[in-house]
Amino acid sequence: DTAVSQTPKYLVTQMGNDKSIKCEQNLGHDTMYWYKQDSKKFLKIMFSYNNKELIINETVPNRFSPKSPDKAHLNLHINSLELGDSAVYFCASSQGLFREYSYEQYFGPGTRLTVT
Amino acid sequence: ILNVEQSPQSLHVQEGDSTNFTCSFPSSNFYALHWYRWETAKSPEALFVMTLNGDEKKKGRISATLNTKEGYSYLYIKGSQPEDSATYLCAFTSGTYKYIFGTGTRLKVLA
Repeated sequence: DTAVSQTPKYLVTQMGNDKSIKCEQNLGHDTMYWYKQDSKKFLKIMFSYNNKELIINETVPNRFSPKSPDKAHLNLHINSLELGDSAVYFCASSQGLFREYSYEQYFGPGTRLTVT
Repeated sequence: ILNVEQSPQSLHVQEGDSTNFTCSFPSSNFYALHWYRWETAKSPEALFVMTLNGDEKKKGRISATLNTKEGYSYLYIKGSQPEDSATYLCAFTSGTYKYIFGTGTRLKVLA
C-alpha cells in the first residue's frame, strides 16, 4: 500500500502548455507539501497545506497553483509551462505542521517534468 | 538568508568502515533538525527528527547527535555496508515556518 503517491511519474510537455500533477496520501496526515528538486539536486519547498489551508507559499511564480480538494490530496497545477520548470517535483505529507516539533515527512516517488 | 550546509559533499568508504558527516544550520530560532536518507531513483526517507540540544538518536548502525547552541548535527554510520550508499540530507526547521534542506552528503560504500 503506497503511503504517498504521485501521478504521473513522468511528464513531458511543450512550453506554454498547462499541466497538473496529482498527489494523494493514505496516512491520515493533516499536512501536505510540494517540493521542487532543481538542477543542482537541491530540494526546495514550494507550498504547504494544513487541513486544506495554505500555510506556506514560498517565492514561486503564480503560474504554479496548488489545490487541495481534501486533506488527503494536494494537486499542483502549472500554467504556461516554461523550460525552467523542468525538474523533479516531490509531494510529501506529515502528521502535523512541521513547526509543531517537526513531525517527519513522508515523500512521494516524485514526478519528473520535462518541458521542451 | 538561512543556510543549511552539509559536509563533505561526497565520500567513498570501504565496507566495514565507520563514517560520519556534518550538518550546519542557524543556531537561532531553532525548532528541529531532520535527517533523511535518499537512495538514487527513490524518494527521501526519514531517519531522525531531533528537537532538543544534546539529543542523540539511533537506528541500527546509524546514529545522530544534535548541538543547537553551536548549530550542528553529526550523523554516524558504524560498519558501513554497500546498502548504506545513498545521499544523506539534513533539514532545518525554524519558528518562522522555514523548512530548509541541506545539499546532502553522497555516500558510496565500496564492497
